[in-house]
Amino acid sequence: KAGVTQTPRYLIKTRGQQVTLSCSPISGHRSVSWYQQTPGQGLQFLFEYFSETQRNKGNFPGRFSGRQFSNSRSEMNVSTLELGDSALYLCASSSSGGSEETQYFGPGTRLLVL
Amino acid sequence: AQSVTQLGSHVSVSEGALVLLRCNYSSSVPPYLFWYVQYPNQGLQLLLKYTTGATLVKGINGFEAEFKKSETSFHLTKPSAHMSDAAEYFCAVSEMKTSYDKVIFGPGTSLSVIP
Repeated sequence: KAGVTQTPRYLIKTRGQQVTLSCSPISGHRSVSWYQQTPGQGLQFLFEYFSETQRNKGNFPGRFSGRQFSNSRSEMNVSTLELGDSALYLCASSSSGGSEETQYFGPGTRLLVL
Repeated sequence: AQSVTQLGSHVSVSEGALVLLRCNYSSSVPPYLFWYVQYPNQGLQLLLKYTTGATLVKGINGFEAEFKKSETSFHLTKPSAHMSDAAEYFCAVSEMKTSYDKVIFGPGTSLSVIP
């Protein structure tokens, strides 16, 4: 079955703009998590959605938001972009989001903020 | 609080040599432990995980790891390195019955394989 897909794969924006990233989980998976990966901070958890509800949130400012649709597809939005938002944004899906479960990661969206 | 340490941000081995990537963790409760691999311009792929039971865990691509509670370690090994093993490797820890906001990733170890 198809893996986790993320669109777009690459994105260039300027400071102050906003951006929306999309993630389609593996069919049947209801949990989608988002991570930010940077050379300096490593992999950091952004938030997790399950059945259209945000279940958990990491330590990121309110400029970072997300949502999940009834088909489990998820979007994350970053408003008022800053240079430090340049990163690889990864999404991962799992069946129900338990910490013992295997998360399946997408290839990521690489965002560059100029 | 949980934390993960990976000794060595970069490791080089010769093709055919033993691969040993070190991971130490701290956790106040029994942990779940994971190793992920990331190839350039790709997402993370699970290599193996320890939840409960046998402490020696076998994963994909010939990798294995052993959970040693007394040493709070979960080192990743492979008997013979292959060129295709060159990638970034991440150790991660989570606590039992929690959700993904409690998953902590280590800083990663970049593995180079020399022909």
